[in-house]
Amino acid sequence: GDSVTQMEGPVTLSEEAFLTINCTYTATGYPSLFWYVQYPGEGLQLLLKATKADDKGSNKGFEATYRKETTSFHLEKGSVQVSDSAVYFCALSDGQGGSEKLVFGKGMKLTVNP
Amino acid sequence: EADIYQTPRYLVIGTGKKITLECSQTMGHDKMYWYQQDPGMELHLIHYSYGVNSTEKGDLSSESTVSRIRTEHFPLTLESARPSHTSQYLCASSDWGALKQYFGPGTRLTVT
Repeated sequence: GDSVTQMEGPVTLSEEAFLTINCTYTATGYPSLFWYVQYPGEGLQLLLKATKADDKGSNKGFEATYRKETTSFHLEKGSVQVSDSAVYFCALSDGQGGSEKLVFGKGMKLTVNP
Repeated sequence: EADIYQTPRYLVIGTGKKITLECSQTMGHDKMYWYQQDPGMELHLIHYSYGVNSTEKGDLSSESTVSRIRTEHFPLTLESARPSHTSQYLCASSDWGALKQYFGPGTRLTVT
């Protein structure tokens, strides 16, 4: 079945550091790819998405590019802030038969120190 | 942004009690989902629904049950809670053809 593998952390960075969170996937079809973020005490929020190969999703300074050849969707941010401290989930949806079920990675907790 | 609500936010109960976790959304979405989030943060789909009177079990086996009598309401019930049910439960919804799921704030359940 479909699966997502991502860096698990936890990771601690200083403010203004560069962030990369690796994510690779296995899917039989042509999935859509997502990054969700969970701030402390809250539910998940969609951070960005990409629906086809070479698409780049971006939001709040974060970027990720859908790489079909390497089955990857790595998340990057050039300069993290304390407010970026959260848990980050990579996910895919294969959309088969109209299904929008998401398959999540295990999540990575990021702490950014001032 | 999201109009999806969960109550209670926190619940501590004793073993053997029956509980219902409430989830409501005001967006008119047909699709709704329940996820269980373990302490290691991993999310597991336990139930989903594609509309009224439609419910399916998810990828992770769960002793809970769900119902979908109204579009906006998707409650989850545990007939007899056990310590192994201690977890965070997240509800989500999405529209047909939409890739984005909207998540509620979650219910953190502790069974003593």
